[in-house]
Amino acid sequence: DTAVSQTPKYLVTQMGNDKSIKCEQNLGHDTMYWYKQDSKKFLKIMFSYNNKELIINETVPNRFSPKSPDKAHLNLHINSLELGDSAVYFCASSQLRTSGSYEQYFGPGTRLTVT
Amino acid sequence: AQSVAQPEDQVNVAEGNPLTVKCTYSVSGNPYLFWYVQYPNRGLQFLLKYITGDNLVKGSYGFEAEFNKSQTSFHLKKPSALVSDSALYFCAVRGAGNNRKLIWGLGTSLAVNP
Repeated sequence: DTAVSQTPKYLVTQMGNDKSIKCEQNLGHDTMYWYKQDSKKFLKIMFSYNNKELIINETVPNRFSPKSPDKAHLNLHINSLELGDSAVYFCASSQLRTSGSYEQYFGPGTRLTVT
Repeated sequence: AQSVAQPEDQVNVAEGNPLTVKCTYSVSGNPYLFWYVQYPNRGLQFLLKYITGDNLVKGSYGFEAEFNKSQTSFHLKKPSALVSDSALYFCAVRGAGNNRKLIWGLGTSLAVNP
């Protein structure tokens, strides 16, 4: 069973379009994340939700809007897509352990190409 | 502020030789440290973590990491490298506060040559 899944795996679209990426986790975790990985492989945190509450909201254009309908799902909607949005977007989840640790588990990524 | 550094962009090692991928950190409070691996066109996979206890932490795929408090380092090691270990490796540290954030290094590309 896939722990963290994302759809679609690939997304090719034109500038100005609006698109969504979906993420689901079946690990029972209470926190989910969106990351952007650019062509240089740098990982940048975008958003995080804990129990459906937004807890991390980094400096991201407001064209990006996350939505968490429940603990197991986190979607990312992007309006007015730009060439610079081309990247791989990763979803991840975590659960705070009694040790204080919260290692994150990642989905396979969605490769977004804006033309 | 929490931070982590991976001083090498790329590491090359011959198959069968030991490998080390370096990571140094700066934290306030106790460090919670992690290593992840990313194979080409895949998501990141958790390898191992240090919270407390033994300075040598064992993880997946035969990897281990050595925590050194005086040198503020958490280097990833493997006694005998495989070609299949070629990948991108990320070190991370738990962020401060309660926002469940990880602070990531920039990654080190490991190439194991046959």
